[in-house]
Amino acid sequence: QTVVTQEPSFSVSPGGTVTLTCGLNSGSVSTTYYPSWYQQTPGQAPRTLIYNTNTRSSGVPDRFSGSILGNKAALTITAAQADDESDYYCVLYMSSGISVFGGGTKLTVL
Amino acid sequence: QLQLQESGPGLVKPSETLSLTCPVSGGSISSRGYYWGWIRQPPGKGLEWIGSIYYSGSTYYNPSLKSRVTISLDTSKNQFSLKLTSVTAADTAVYFCARHLGGGYGRPMDVWGQGTTVTVSS
Repeated sequence: QTVVTQEPSFSVSPGGTVTLTCGLNSGSVSTTYYPSWYQQTPGQAPRTLIYNTNTRSSGVPDRFSGSILGNKAALTITAAQADDESDYYCVLYMSSGISVFGGGTKLTVL
Repeated sequence: QLQLQESGPGLVKPSETLSLTCPVSGGSISSRGYYWGWIRQPPGKGLEWIGSIYYSGSTYYNPSLKSRVTISLDTSKNQFSLKLTSVTAADTAVYFCARHLGGGYGRPMDVWGQGTTVTVSS
């Protein structure tokens, strides 16, 4: 069974930089998994931030960037703001045509 | 501007079938290059991908739900639908419909509905 792993929680200071990661229980994450990232605040629908590893969705500020770091996908947020406090989910695409969500990271800005 | 809006009963009895529709406005579900799918989120938990359908009718399902799920297109109404059979309390969740980008990007979700809460209870 494919399991996508994320840090359960993370904190960052206002103005700081944070990197969230997205791993795979069965091996390394590469661009062939086309990692995407989503932001969700309580009670709201998710918002698409990044797809195809590092392509920002329309309207997403360049403070958000995606990459592959080592054997994981990564979402880096620079100049963190209070309204970045959200849950962040990564998704990996499998060659069979299915997508798998990670468990999500709760980001606190304090 | 493309908009999606989930619609369906908010309460379903155990063992029955959950049925939701997602009417699409501002675009056509018959457009090449897009997939249309469903994602759910149980109370207090993370997101789970349910499945998607291509404009041609090809379907892709989460293996853990595959035996109970059907996603279909209704081009005459420009909407797509989700059916989940034999529901239990574990299927209680907020259900989101979403457009997925085709074109070799890994089918990310790029436009989301606002979500609808479905409770399974007698």
